Amino acid sequence: NAGVTQTPKFQVLKTGQSMTLQCAQDMNHNSMYWYRQDPGMGLRLIYYSASEGTTDKGEVPNGYNVSRLNKREFSLRLESAAPSQTSVYFCASISLYSNQPQHFGDGTRLSIL
Amino acid sequence: QKEVEQNSGPLSVPEGAIASLNCTYSDRGSQSFFWYRQYSGKSPELIMFIYSNGDKEDGRFTAQLNKASQYVSLLIRDSQPSDSATYLCAALNDYKLSFGAGTTVTVRA
Repeated sequence: NAGVTQTPKFQVLKTGQSMTLQCAQDMNHNSMYWYRQDPGMGLRLIYYSASEGTTDKGEVPNGYNVSRLNKREFSLRLESAAPSQTSVYFCASISLYSNQPQHFGDGTRLSIL
Repeated sequence: QKEVEQNSGPLSVPEGAIASLNCTYSDRGSQSFFWYRQYSGKSPELIMFIYSNGDKEDGRFTAQLNKASQYVSLLIRDSQPSDSATYLCAALNDYKLSFGAGTTVTVRA
């Protein structure tokens, strides 16, 4: 099925550990996004990639890095996890010229102890 | 100031009524606007998008855009209990897609 696939779905880390959240889309969309969602705060943009080879900071980039590996894949890395990064992370892809202009992944629930 | 602001909720409407959701954005360069529905524990799903001034209708949903006032709204007609969810407004400016905090809607049977 076409869509956005995020892995893992759940993860528990200890403070200071590192990890990479993976995201892949098979809709041939150019733009991809990483958001975090905390209670009552909607979706806050961490980083985005307008097209393969480009990345830009969003509202809350501190403590994160990203890689747009190719057109399909956009990963998010936490180099040294902190409890403040406990959140639900969503990846999304977009193409305004598509009949299905936007898709979100199912999310990654990340807890940092 | 957040780039996208939504009217604070929660919003409670009786079944069959019209639910009205409002959103303002701060960046006049924003080109396209989106409304999402998010059920608890699920990912957001796109309901509608609009990029021209005026109204856009899709079934029971109508999106309205007024670029001069930097205002976007969503009307849900004939509200159903299944419409109970959080509704998120988003603005796209040069590939940057920013969201509001969301408005929670409850439809009373």
